[in-house]
Parts: sequence; structure tokens; C-alpha cells
Amino acid sequence: AQSVTQPDIHITVSEGASLELRCNYSYGATPYLFWYVQSPGQGLQLLLKYFSGDTLVQGIKGFEAEFKRSQSSFNLRKPSVHWSDAAEYFCAVGASRGGGNKLTFGTGTQLKVEL
Amino acid sequence: DAGVIQSPRHEVTEMGQEVTLRCKPISGHDYLFWYRQTMMRGLELLIYFNNNVPIDDSGMPEDRFSAKMPNASFSTLKIQPSEPRDSAVYFCASSSGTAFGYTFGSGTRLTVV
Repeated sequence: AQSVTQPDIHITVSEGASLELRCNYSYGATPYLFWYVQSPGQGLQLLLKYFSGDTLVQGIKGFEAEFKRSQSSFNLRKPSVHWSDAAEYFCAVGASRGGGNKLTFGTGTQLKVEL
Repeated sequence: DAGVIQSPRHEVTEMGQEVTLRCKPISGHDYLFWYRQTMMRGLELLIYFNNNVPIDDSGMPEDRFSAKMPNASFSTLKIQPSEPRDSAVYFCASSSGTAFGYTFGSGTRLTVV
């Protein structure tokens, strides 16, 4: 079964600074990988996804993530954070073989942006 | 498409009452998921359906919880009787396959007093 770890519970960055949120997964083959964002009082919104091809994927709102097989990681990055990026971010992994279309979510990273 | 639609957005009920949460998935999506989110436990998968058939209900906490999907455009999650520890945000999500990820609804915030 797949699993995912987000080691950082809380991260604080200054507006305009760069951001990297960490995500490590466990799965025996190439997984499907996702990042979601949740603003207060809202549902989860898909930022980006990886399932094959170029290991650097671009998403909405200026986010990108890089799949690194050797490190079992899929870290989320943004070169310059805006105050509106303050939210909770979830990494998720899905099985590319079987798994019944279940995604396993990490515990989330709460991002605070200082003005 | 209007996305995944959940109702109600907020529900406040007294302990012991029956609560029904509703979800309309995106047309054409053949998977539907019910999640519960709390501060203590994070996101928990309760149950999911494929083509209206329940596939995995191992996350349903106890017999007080039940879920149905009578057709491709509607699902319900029922709690009877409700208890204060059921207070949480309940999300519905739909999908057309793992590679595409899920689309989540805005959630129902349930408070049981």
C-alpha cells in the first residue's frame, strides 16, 4: 500500500520569499502524485499532478513540483510567495497499478505568510 | 460544470438526531468518495463508490454511519443517532480515475451539540 509523509506541520515565510514544501512517498512503482491546497472554510483544490513524463510539473497559481524517484519525493515550490498563498497544503499519492483509485493524503502543511 | 455540490454547508443538530449529508458529483465521474476532516485526525476516507457500488467502507467509524448512492448523480451520508464526537467537516469528492485526481466539494460543517 502507498503512504505519504509531509514532515513539516507548519511553515512561515515572508511575502516575496521562495517556498518549498516537502513530500515523501512510499510506493513500489511510479506513483500518481498530487498537491492540493485548502483555504479556510473551503474544500481541497488541485494545484498540480504528476503521473508520467517530465518530472517537473507546473500547476496553477505559479506553483511547481518536481518528482525525484531516487529520493521518493515530490516537493512543491514557488519562487515568490503572495499573502494569498496562506493555506493548508496536502500531498497525495495514488497507485498506478490497482489500488482502486484511492488516494492517500498526507497530514498537511499549514503555510503562514508574513507581510 | 458546477463542480461537486454538497448540501447543506452547515448543519447544527442535537445529540441523538439523524443527520443526512448530500452530494452531487461531477457528471461523468464514476468514483465518489466521502471524507471526514478533523483537527485531531486530519482527512479520513470513510467510504467510496465506483459506478454507484460501495467498494470500500472500512473507514466508516461504526454502524451509526451509512452511505448510499442510488444513482450516478446523488449520494448521501447518514448518521443515526448523531453524537458530539461526529462534529467535523465532511467532504465529498468525485473522480474519473486515479491519474486525474479528485475534485472536492466545499464540505458540510457538522456540529452536534
